[in-house]
Amino acid sequence: DAGVTQSPTHLIKTRGQQVTLRCSPISGHKSVSWYQQVLGQGPQFIFQYYEKEERGRGNFPDRFSARQFPNYSSELNVNALLLGDSALYLCASSLFNQDTNEKLFFGSGTQLSVL
Amino acid sequence: QKEVEQDPGPLSVPEGAIVSLNCTYSNSAFQYFMWYRQYSRKGPELLMYTYSSGNKEDGRFTAQVDKSSKYISLFIRDSQPSDSATYLCAMRGYSSASKIIFGSGTRLSIRP
Repeated sequence: DAGVTQSPTHLIKTRGQQVTLRCSPISGHKSVSWYQQVLGQGPQFIFQYYEKEERGRGNFPDRFSARQFPNYSSELNVNALLLGDSALYLCASSLFNQDTNEKLFFGSGTQLSVL
Repeated sequence: QKEVEQDPGPLSVPEGAIVSLNCTYSNSAFQYFMWYRQYSRKGPELLMYTYSSGNKEDGRFTAQVDKSSKYISLFIRDSQPSDSATYLCAMRGYSSASKIIFGSGTRLSIRP
């Protein structure tokens, strides 16, 4: 079975530009979460989506937005890029099991460099 | 103060040694505790997943949770060079909608 797939793997942008990152969850998983991982730090929660609805949002500015499609894939958009947005962006999928035994499975991430 | 504190290392040990990795936390609402392994330029991989206090063993890995001390540990027995990676502790509250909070990760190197 395919794991979580993310595209592109690497991206270079300049300040002020906009970027769209894509994620396909594990087959059967209905929830997608996005995390930002700055070099030397642990992943920071950005968004969680389930059944196309936002279920959680981390402490990130409104320049960050996301959506989930009927096939449960997801896009993360970042507008007006800043140098500080340079990071590894990780997508994680999960079942969103209401029994709370929730486990996240991560993709390999998209490395975004803002120049 | 960060919700989750983790010694960044780096930690270097000889092959075959027992490795101890630790995290402390401040939020008493955390109920689920995880350890992830992350190789360079890869996403985190779930290693251990425990609920509340106690021990859990899986092969060479043992996870311990002490909620009274707000302290969790991961032990690796008979460490191998392939265990060289960054280890991230993570935790969340009871609800499935609770966001997962990660530690900053400990870089581990196993010397052959």
